[in-house]
Amino acid sequence: GEDVEQSLFLSVREGDSSVINCTYTDSSSTYLYWYKQEPGAGLQLLTYIFSNMDMKQDQRLTVLLNKKDKHLSLRIADTQTGDSAIYFCAESNRGNQGGKLIFGQGTELSVKP
Amino acid sequence: NAGVTQTPKFQVLKTGQSMTLQCAQDMNHEYMSWYRQDPGMGLRLIHYSVGAGITDQGEVPNGYNVSRSTTEDFPLRLLSAAPSQTSVYFCASSYSRISEAFFGQGTRLTVV
Repeated sequence: GEDVEQSLFLSVREGDSSVINCTYTDSSSTYLYWYKQEPGAGLQLLTYIFSNMDMKQDQRLTVLLNKKDKHLSLRIADTQTGDSAIYFCAESNRGNQGGKLIFGQGTELSVKP
Repeated sequence: NAGVTQTPKFQVLKTGQSMTLQCAQDMNHEYMSWYRQDPGMGLRLIHYSVGAGITDQGEVPNGYNVSRSTTEDFPLRLLSAAPSQTSVYFCASSYSRISEAFFGQGTRLTVV
């Protein structure tokens, strides 16, 4: 079945780059997403990438997709304390009904000053 | 713009009680979903709907019912609450099945 895996924790120092990794099993995944969840809040879409792309950059965010290895990463440049949150990788494909997203467990990013 | 609104934000139930978690969106989205979030498990899909009058089960549907009588509303019912249903519940909506999902702020439910 479909599965998405992430490591649970990442700790970095302010100003460093953060790299959050995700692996997925569904080879028919069409869209891959990164969501951010701040404490006590819902999820907010950060960025997404289509499966026919290798890379997408959006200001401090860079998404890399290795479709062969089914590996997705999110790089945050110049990480700030305000970036501390839980980051979820999610995937969907054209065959999914109802906007169904398959989520990873979430990576808790801790940014130390 | 309200987006996706969930009520209540917090709820404590006794085992066996029933309740309805409310979800409403004002974006005219056809697709709506309910997820539960548990530590270390990410978000798991409970039920979803592709439009008014159409619902289907997700990954963890047992113990929950849904209905979709209007485009705007998608309530989630717990018929007989159990401690295993202690979780944070999120409602989401999207324009299409592959477009961005907008999430509500969540309902933190504790069943004692």
